[in-house]
Amino acid sequence: GENVEQHPSTLSVQEGDSAVIKCTYSDSASNYFPWYKQELGKRPQLIIDIRSNVGEKKDQRIAVTLNKTAKHFSLHITETQPEDSAVYFCAASLGGNYQLIWGAGTKLIIKP
Amino acid sequence: DVKVTQSSRYLVKRTGEKVFLECVQDMDHENMFWYRQDPGLGLRLIYFSYDVKMKEKGDIPEGYSVSREKKERFSLILESASTNQTSMYLCASSRTPGNVGSYNSPLHFGNGTRLTVT
Repeated sequence: GENVEQHPSTLSVQEGDSAVIKCTYSDSASNYFPWYKQELGKRPQLIIDIRSNVGEKKDQRIAVTLNKTAKHFSLHITETQPEDSAVYFCAASLGGNYQLIWGAGTKLIIKP
Repeated sequence: DVKVTQSSRYLVKRTGEKVFLECVQDMDHENMFWYRQDPGLGLRLIYFSYDVKMKEKGDIPEGYSVSREKKERFSLILESASTNQTSMYLCASSRTPGNVGSYNSPLHFGNGTRLTVT
């Protein structure tokens, strides 16, 4: 079946440095790629998303890039802050339908 | 602000019991979803519904059923709970009918129900 691979599973960076999380998807028909952040004990929340007709999207310190040819997309967080500590999930739409295929998650740790 | 409410935060049940997990959303969303979340496995879709009385199987429907009698409520049912169903269960809803991939239609999650089956 279709899947999404997410790396790394844990990422530890110094406060102020950048963090990059990468995902690879298998369904060539996927056209929507959201990223969710889940803080400890809280619900996942959408932080940024990108559609297949766009190569890059930015929102303040967060950016997402998409390479359709290689079927991978990445989350970039610049100038990391303690509140960025969380688990981040990438996902890809299953073709054009309702379902999202999720990555396993990346635990981001921001060291003071 | 969208509110997705799950009836229980923590639940402990015995093997073989019938378990009901309830989810209510207050934004008139058409789509509703049940996921389970396990460490290292991400979010796995159990069932989803895009309309009242409609349901579709997700990736791991075995051992579960769902009910959507009203638009705002989506129930997950474990017919006979087993220990391998111990997990965090997340309900979610989204606005756009027919396509969760719309830019303006993110998934809104509830706070989750941590179910332990002993």
